[in-house]
Amino acid sequence: AQSVTQLGSHVSVSEGALVLLRCNYSSSVPPYLFWYVQYPNQGLQLLLKYTTGATLVKGINGFEAEFKKSETSFHLTKPSAHMSDAAEYFCAVTPTGFQKLVFGTGTRLLVSP
Amino acid sequence: DVKVTQSSRYLVKRTGEKVFLECVQDMDHENMFWYRQDPGLGLRLIYFSYDVKMKEKGDIPEGYSVSREKKERFSLILESASTNQTSMYLCASHGGSNPQEPQHFGDGTRLSIL
Repeated sequence: AQSVTQLGSHVSVSEGALVLLRCNYSSSVPPYLFWYVQYPNQGLQLLLKYTTGATLVKGINGFEAEFKKSETSFHLTKPSAHMSDAAEYFCAVTPTGFQKLVFGTGTRLLVSP
Repeated sequence: DVKVTQSSRYLVKRTGEKVFLECVQDMDHENMFWYRQDPGLGLRLIYFSYDVKMKEKGDIPEGYSVSREKKERFSLILESASTNQTSMYLCASHGGSNPQEPQHFGDGTRLSIL
């Protein structure tokens, strides 16, 4: 079965520092990959998605993710963290064949001044 | 923009009660989903529906049922609520059969069972 691993339940950065949130998936066939963000007391909002084609995907709010098939990874980055980036981030994968999503356990990003 | 509306943001119920969580979407989407979110566990799929009156079990269906009488509405039912069902519940919708399209989420219902 498909699975998604997010390393680190919490990541702390200073404002202006690089943000790196890690995501690895298990699949012999590259699936469709998504990053969602959840701000406090809200639902999930799509940050970006990888389907096929370009391996570097740009999303909203300055985030981007790089798909590396050889490493089965889809890490999320942002060059310079902002206080408003503090939220929980979820990596998710759609197994081939249907619209079901399999989620990672989430990473809470903390941004300090 | 797709709007997914969950009827309650916060709900407090008692053990043994029958609980209904309602979700409505306004984009004529075929597929709708109910997830449960718990700290350290991420989101886990309870049930999903790909058409009116159709339903499929997800990963953790025990203790839950669902109803989809109209395309825009998907209800989650806790037949006899228990304290271990205290959680955040998220509804999502998805249009068509293209898995490249993202799911759209409501704001969630935080349910407490006392």
